[in-house]
Amino acid sequence: QVQLVQSGAEVKKPGSLVQVSCKAYGGNLKSYAFSWVRQAPGQGLEWMGRYIPTLNISVIAPKFQGRVTFTADESTNTAHMGLTGLRSDDTAVYFCASDPKTGTVGASDVWGQGTMVTVSS
Amino acid sequence: DIQMTQSPSTLSASVGDRIIITCRASQSFSRWLAWYQQKPGKAPKLLISAASSLESGVPSRFSGAGSGAEFTLTITSLQPDDFATYYCQQYHGYPFTFGGGTKVEIK
Repeated sequence: QVQLVQSGAEVKKPGSLVQVSCKAYGGNLKSYAFSWVRQAPGQGLEWMGRYIPTLNISVIAPKFQGRVTFTADESTNTAHMGLTGLRSDDTAVYFCASDPKTGTVGASDVWGQGTMVTVSS
Repeated sequence: DIQMTQSPSTLSASVGDRIIITCRASQSFSRWLAWYQQKPGKAPKLLISAASSLESGVPSRFSGAGSGAEFTLTITSLQPDDFATYYCQQYHGYPFTFGGGTKVEIK
């Protein structure tokens, strides 16, 4: 089964951008779809969007339209999430999660360990 | 967007208890509903997909049921390892949405 390992914690200034990486081990990136989910401190889970590398299709939650970009690098077997225009309320743990249903919808059965992003002046 | 409402938000129970968590959707769909377990500082863990399909390695004391607009997660004979927060998620339509979570705590 694929294992997802995310990049390390980030501290960013308001208005800047952050990129979180999610490297897949034990599986080909193109065999999966990747959801990105965040969790603010003490809060619940919030779905940000889903990216299917083999189709280069992104589905982004309305709340994040215009601020989020999903990409993938086949050479490093890594998925990336970029978030621009950072605000203090973007402070959260960001998770990548995969499912093998690239042709339809699927539940996320493998998760990365999470990346803490802190936005502070 | 499909809104998912979980109840209760907090549940106090004892080891050995049977508990039921409910997830109600703002619109009906067939079965594309998942249940996750999350412990503090950890990533969520998928327990059940397609409303009632138990993931490999998940104990059989966990079960899911429902369709339409109401779904349930049942844990029979609660174990110490089960004290955690549980989330439902619909993946019937975009954007996928999570319920607000149910924290299961020790009575």
